[in-house]
Amino acid sequence: KQEVTQIPAALSVPEGENLVLNCSFTDSAIYNLQWFRQDPGKGLTSLLLIQSSQREQTSGRLNASLDKSSGRSTLYIAASQPGDSATYLCAVVGNQFYFGTGTSLTVIP
Amino acid sequence: NAGVMQNPRHLVRRRGQEARLRCSPMKGHSHVYWYRQLPEEGLKFMVYLQKENIIDESGMPKERFSAEFPKEGPSILRIQQVVRGDSAAYFCASSPTSGRDSSYEQYFGPGTRLTVT
Repeated sequence: KQEVTQIPAALSVPEGENLVLNCSFTDSAIYNLQWFRQDPGKGLTSLLLIQSSQREQTSGRLNASLDKSSGRSTLYIAASQPGDSATYLCAVVGNQFYFGTGTSLTVIP
Repeated sequence: NAGVMQNPRHLVRRRGQEARLRCSPMKGHSHVYWYRQLPEEGLKFMVYLQKENIIDESGMPKERFSAEFPKEGPSILRIQQVVRGDSAAYFCASSPTSGRDSSYEQYFGPGTRLTVT
């Protein structure tokens, strides 16, 4: 059974710092991996989708990488801003759909 | 193009009542997924449907829960005889292609927050 783990569970950084969020999964037989952000009491907003054949995707200040062989993905956020404060979730699509428990990010002004 | 719509946004039911949650996918999307997010826990997959078909219901509790996606109208997640443990946020997502397609992307609705008293 696929297990998705996100480390750290919570992260607090001063504004302007670059940061990395980690996602690991146990079964490398995946179709793709998707990163989301979730604001308190709200739904999920898709950030980046990485297909299984890709190594990374970039959107603005965000860069996500995928290493299927090692079962890892990272989400890099450059020049963090207070508006980036949210919970970040990674999801892998294999035979089923699996989400990590998320990293709660707080960017301090 | 409106996003994924879910209603109601908040639903309060007493134990033993039925809860009906609705999800209208994005225009042009024929694949719908339901997830449950319990307090302090991650999102858990429940069921994957296409129009008039249940493709994967391996995440659905065996009893009291059912889902449908009729030819016309929204997808419905139905919970019979609700219990306090059913209190959670229920999210619906849609995609234009199969969940097994590597290029597919899920688009999420705002969720329905169910409270069972």
